[in-house]
Amino acid sequence: NAGVTQTPKFRVLKTGQSMTLLCAQDMNHEYMYWYRQDPGMGLRLIHYSVGEGTTAKGEVPDGYNVSRLKKQNFLLGLESAAPSQTSVYFCASRSNGGAYGYTFGSGTRLTVV
Amino acid sequence: AQSVTQLDSHVSVSEGTPVLLRCNYSSSYSPSLFWYVQHPNKGLQLLLKYTSAATLVKGINGFEAEFKKSETSFHLTKPSAHMSDAAEYFCVVSDRGGSTLGRLYFGRGTQLTVWP
Repeated sequence: NAGVTQTPKFRVLKTGQSMTLLCAQDMNHEYMYWYRQDPGMGLRLIHYSVGEGTTAKGEVPDGYNVSRLKKQNFLLGLESAAPSQTSVYFCASRSNGGAYGYTFGSGTRLTVV
Repeated sequence: AQSVTQLDSHVSVSEGTPVLLRCNYSSSYSPSLFWYVQHPNKGLQLLLKYTSAATLVKGINGFEAEFKKSETSFHLTKPSAHMSDAAEYFCVVSDRGGSTLGRLYFGRGTQLTVWP
């Protein structure tokens, strides 16, 4: 089915470990986003990309890096995980030319112990 | 600056009674506005969206919202709550202009509880 696929769906990390979350979309969307969701905070934007090879910081970028080497993939990296990064991570994408038409992935639940 | 304030963090209603979830927004440009729903341990589902057409927007599952520019509000309503409506609801604003074009700004969410 067309859409946004996030892998993995669940992960437990130890403090200081690194990992990469993968977001893949097959809708040829230009824009891709990484959000984190914490209780009582809604979703906050970590990083985003307006096209292949471009990335930009969102509201809460510290401790994360991203890459968009291919148009369909947007990777979120944690170089040295901290307990404060325990969260649910959502990826989203949308087409160019409109402020609507977002498609969200199903989320990745990350726990850092 | 763009922001969203959801005026209630928790709302409780009895099944069959009306639902009102309140949202105020701030936007530098003409906004697009959305309501999303999230059921426990699930992803986000779009309920409805306002993109400058009719100010009264109808969504899925009997929900609707009215855009009131003078009040900068976009409240979500449903005439009769169902048990399956119990979930968290997010009001979201997106600018349709400027350097932040298309970025979404989420409210903190309203948890809706429906009593039998």
